[in-house]
Amino acid sequence: EAEVAQSPRYKITEKSQAVAFWCDPISGHATLYWYRQILGQGPELLVQFQDESVVDDSQLPKDRFSAERLKGVDSTLKIQPAELGDSAMYLCASSPYNTEAFFGQGTRLTVV
Amino acid sequence: GENVEQHPSTLSVQEGDSAVIKCTYSDSASNYFPWYKQELGKRPQLIIDIRSNVGEKKDQRIAVTLNKTAKHFSLHITETQPEDSAVYFCAASLGATNKLIFGTGTLLAVQP
Repeated sequence: EAEVAQSPRYKITEKSQAVAFWCDPISGHATLYWYRQILGQGPELLVQFQDESVVDDSQLPKDRFSAERLKGVDSTLKIQPAELGDSAMYLCASSPYNTEAFFGQGTRLTVV
Repeated sequence: GENVEQHPSTLSVQEGDSAVIKCTYSDSASNYFPWYKQELGKRPQLIIDIRSNVGEKKDQRIAVTLNKTAKHFSLHITETQPEDSAVYFCAASLGATNKLIFGTGTLLAVQP
């Protein structure tokens, strides 16, 4: 069964350092989401791609976060510089379009 | 703004009882409403979804109802079992891009 792949699974970084997460969606899924989930809360949408285009990044802290999906397939989310408050689970999800979103295992980020 | 509200935040039931979780959404144009189950340390997984052209959908012990006029939808779990214990999230597709916005989650505990 096809799955959304994310790496790394865990990341510990010092504050002010740069960190990057990678996501490979299910083949053929045009929509790709990056969510941040703080323990005990719901997933918060950071950015939504349709193919290679960003269609929503209204909640992305653009002073430190960036995301790209250059060829409309895999995607990278970057944080620079990382802050203590960025510690969370970063979930990637993909969807054919306006239908079920399939989630990856996530990357658990700890900023120390 | 675009948001999804979910209640209650915690719910404890006895095994065999029913559980109901309710959500409201802000965008009258929303047309897709999934429910996800997230077990501790795992990714959210879809358990049932409904589209705006349907008022109710059922899958074995799980059902979802949608009231478009009132802009709310509910998850119903009957004959609850201990393995139903998890966090449940509602979501709605919002805005022109149909971005998937999640509620804050309900921690369901089924007591044996």
